Amino acid sequence: DAKTTQPPSMDCAEGRAANLPCNHSTISGNEYVYWYRQIHSQGPQYIIHGLKNNETNEMASLIITEDRKSSTLILPHATLRDTAVYYCIVRVEGAQKLVFGQGTRLTINP
Amino acid sequence: KAGVTQTPRYLIKTRGQQVTLSCSPISGHRSVSWYQQTPGQGLQFLFEYFSETQRNKGNFPGRFSGRQFSNSRSEMNVSTLELGDSALYLCASSLVGAVYNEQFFGPGTRLTVL
Repeated sequence: DAKTTQPPSMDCAEGRAANLPCNHSTISGNEYVYWYRQIHSQGPQYIIHGLKNNETNEMASLIITEDRKSSTLILPHATLRDTAVYYCIVRVEGAQKLVFGQGTRLTINP
Repeated sequence: KAGVTQTPRYLIKTRGQQVTLSCSPISGHRSVSWYQQTPGQGLQFLFEYFSETQRNKGNFPGRFSGRQFSNSRSEMNVSTLELGDSALYLCASSLVGAVYNEQFFGPGTRLTVL
């Protein structure tokens, strides 16, 4: 599985957009970018995924660079409940195994 | 639709004992994966079951085993417990064959080995 690199921690003010970067320079053509988050002591929660086009859902937006070597997860209006560890994962569509890195600990400040 | 359930939620065992954890996937989901989460190693893949067969296995010793029943419920077993087995054990289910197979995680079982 391709590996990802994320900053260990980030802070964001409540109500502002939180932009979480992820580097996946060794991603293969058939690998998708997935984002999960884990709120303290809960199981990880799926947020969004994409292949090469930008994606948006009710939770977030995913921006993937044209060369697919990096991506950014955007939480448009962060709330205190968005405080969590965010994991960027790349995997082949259909593969069940998720390889988690250390993720980014995002803290939303009031 | 009910989510992934795991039982028990908390468990305390002593070294040398064995433990069995249970996971009930979302109705209709046939793939069940298990993960171990520790502060030092983070989230690590243990194994995945589909149609009662283990399809993938992570890099864990043979003391860690699992099985899946015909109703897709899964159990994992850890024998001869060690202090380092203290962790949050997470189960995830997914609908194999869907356009994309988002994994849904349960709340986990927190195992403490004394």
